[in-house]
Amino acid sequence: AQSVSQHNHHVILSEAASLELGCNYSYGGTVNLFWYVQYPGQHLQLLLKYFSGDPLVKGIKGFEAEFIKSKFSFNLRKPSVQWSDTAEYFCAVNAYRSQGNLIFGKGTKLSVKP
Amino acid sequence: ETGVTQSPTHLIKTRGQQVTLRCSSQSGHNTVSWYQQALGQGPQFIFQYYREEENGRGNFPPRFSGLQFPNYSSELNVNALELDDSALYLCASRPDRADTQYFGPGTRLTVL
Repeated sequence: AQSVSQHNHHVILSEAASLELGCNYSYGGTVNLFWYVQYPGQHLQLLLKYFSGDPLVKGIKGFEAEFIKSKFSFNLRKPSVQWSDTAEYFCAVNAYRSQGNLIFGKGTKLSVKP
Repeated sequence: ETGVTQSPTHLIKTRGQQVTLRCSSQSGHNTVSWYQQALGQGPQFIFQYYREEENGRGNFPPRFSGLQFPNYSSELNVNALELDDSALYLCASRPDRADTQYFGPGTRLTVL
C-alpha cells in the first residue's frame, strides 16, 4: 500500500536555526512529490514540488527539498527559520503523471521561538 | 489565495444527521477532490470528480457521496453522521492535466 511517513511530529526551533524535516514514501512506481504548509488558520499552500529532473528543488520562502530515489526520501530544508515559519508541514505523493489523488503524511508541526 | 472557496466555515451536527458541504473552484478547474483531515492527521482522500463524474475514490463508505456542477462548484454529502466524521473537510481543484492541486480553507465539521 502507498504511504508517506514523516518522522517528526513536533519540532521546536529558535529563530535562525536550520531546519530539516524528514519524509519517506512507499510507492511501487515513479512519483510526484510535494510539500504543503498550513499556517495557523489558513488553507494548505504548496511549498514546492518535484516531478522530474534536478532532484534538488527550490520552493517559496527559502525552502528547498532533495529527492533521494534510493532512499525513497524527500526531505524539506531551510537554512535559517523565522518565527513566521511556524506552521504544520505536510509531505505528499501521487503517481507520476497520474493527476491522481494525493497521499499525505501525518504532518510535522514546526514551532519557531522568537 | 487559491481561488477555491468552501462553505460553511464551521458546522455542528448530531449523530445520524445528514450534511452537505460546498466548494467553489476556479473557472477552468475541471477536477475537484475532497479530503478529510482528522485532528492531528494528514488529509485523507475521499473521492475525485472530473467533468461531473466520480473517477476515483478512497477508502470511504458509500454514505460519503458527491456532486460536481458545470459552474465549477461541487458538494460533499455525508449521510448517517458518526462521531468519527468530525474533521476538517478540504476541497481541492485543478485544471485538466495539471499535477498541482489548489486547496480551499476547509469546513470544520463537529458531530455530537
